[in-house]
Amino acid sequence: DVKVTQSSRYLVKRTGEKVFLECVQDMDHENMFWYRQDPGLGLRLIYFSYDVKMKEKGDIPEGYSVSREKKERFSLILESASTNQTSMYLCASRGQGFQPQHFGDGTRLSIL
Amino acid sequence: DQQVKQNSPSLSVQEGRISILNCDYTNSMFDYFLWYKKYPAEGPTFLISISSIKDKNEDGRFTVFLNKSAKHLSLHIVPSQPGDSAVYFCAASAAHYGGSQGNLIFGKGTKLSVKP
Repeated sequence: DVKVTQSSRYLVKRTGEKVFLECVQDMDHENMFWYRQDPGLGLRLIYFSYDVKMKEKGDIPEGYSVSREKKERFSLILESASTNQTSMYLCASRGQGFQPQHFGDGTRLSIL
Repeated sequence: DQQVKQNSPSLSVQEGRISILNCDYTNSMFDYFLWYKKYPAEGPTFLISISSIKDKNEDGRFTVFLNKSAKHLSLHIVPSQPGDSAVYFCAASAAHYGGSQGNLIFGKGTKLSVKP
């Protein structure tokens, strides 16, 4: 079974802090993704990566950056946290072609 | 402009009956369709998928139907159980093309409540 592990289930940070969310997958997947989920808005793609050192902007990249130094690890960075970034953050990975995407358990991030 | 739409935000069904969740899409390049189930405070879990070469795929109590001409797919759960109560997301991609077109596009979800 594919395992996608997010470093924290719950996180509380202060406005202006730099926040790191970590994600690791164990299936040697090329593709990794970061989403946020908010009530009524579904899943919105923040950033994705096709390979090590590669990154692409998703639908809502403003205020975020990412890092992929190793194939198994994809980090989401909130450069200067703001209250409107309070959300559930979901990491996912996927192989090539007709393969389902597998999600981690999510990080519930609160910015105070 | 939503490419994947789930027009029913919620659905309530009696235990033992059939649950039917619907999804419409607009992009004719989509060739791979999936359903995910999500409990509160957890990540979405992959349920079942179908490629555009098929019109039906079945896995236990879950069946997905694809109507390409209508650009419509549905998930049938028979019989429904209280543990099926969750938010269900429909997703689609143009997997054949790869690249960013292989990324999943999600609907906004339908909250299913199965009452005992």
